[in-house]
Amino acid sequence: QSALTQPASVSGSPGQSITISCTGTSSDVGTYNFVSWYQQYPGKAPKLMIYEVTKRPSGVSDRFSASKSGNTASLTISGLQTDDEGDYYCSSFAGSNTIFGPGTKVTVL
Amino acid sequence: QLQLQESGPGLVKPSETLSLSCAVSGGSISSCSYCWGWMRQSPGLGLEWIGSICCGGSTYYNPSLTSRVTVSADMSKNQFSLKMTSVTAADSAVFYCTRNPPAVYYFDYWGQGTLVAVSS
Repeated sequence: QSALTQPASVSGSPGQSITISCTGTSSDVGTYNFVSWYQQYPGKAPKLMIYEVTKRPSGVSDRFSASKSGNTASLTISGLQTDDEGDYYCSSFAGSNTIFGPGTKVTVL
Repeated sequence: QLQLQESGPGLVKPSETLSLSCAVSGGSISSCSYCWGWMRQSPGLGLEWIGSICCGGSTYYNPSLTSRVTVSADMSKNQFSLKMTSVTAADSAVFYCTRNPPAVYYFDYWGQGTLVAVSS
């Protein structure tokens, strides 16, 4: 299975909202409700931010929300804060594998 | 608080076998509530799921790696391991051990990661 597609970078000013897209195919994102999103700071392990398309783990701010339409999933960060800067990866189950996007670098201007 | 800690050689020679262990504290790997597995990350391949071991010793592997990897568990030591055979430079990466609930494909706990370089 091919990797998912994400924009290389997204930026926004503090307080704004940004959305990161994650495009897959009918073999992964389009079929399974097992899309997840991870935040990663440099030199650190990824942290689960969203699972099963829209669910937030305990402790994750409600400024993070997500959705899916067809073969594309989206992560929205509202009320952007400086500590939201980092890399964000989407992931999807793909039948016999769990695949990831290449990551999106979020910059807070 | 659950913690996962990877350990193993930071340098492996080409064609040899990479072996890593993950010690789990704050939880038991012998419960059937979770699966335990491995992920790797490199500039060339990005994040890649390697495989997991679940209740009763059931294992699941990335189809592209299944011929070269084995994930096993040692309940007595509360740790699990990864073996990857016939490594090449392309296998150089940061390796993470992970936890995921069974039959759902997200990873809610990660170790800090360990860098493994494949070089002669």
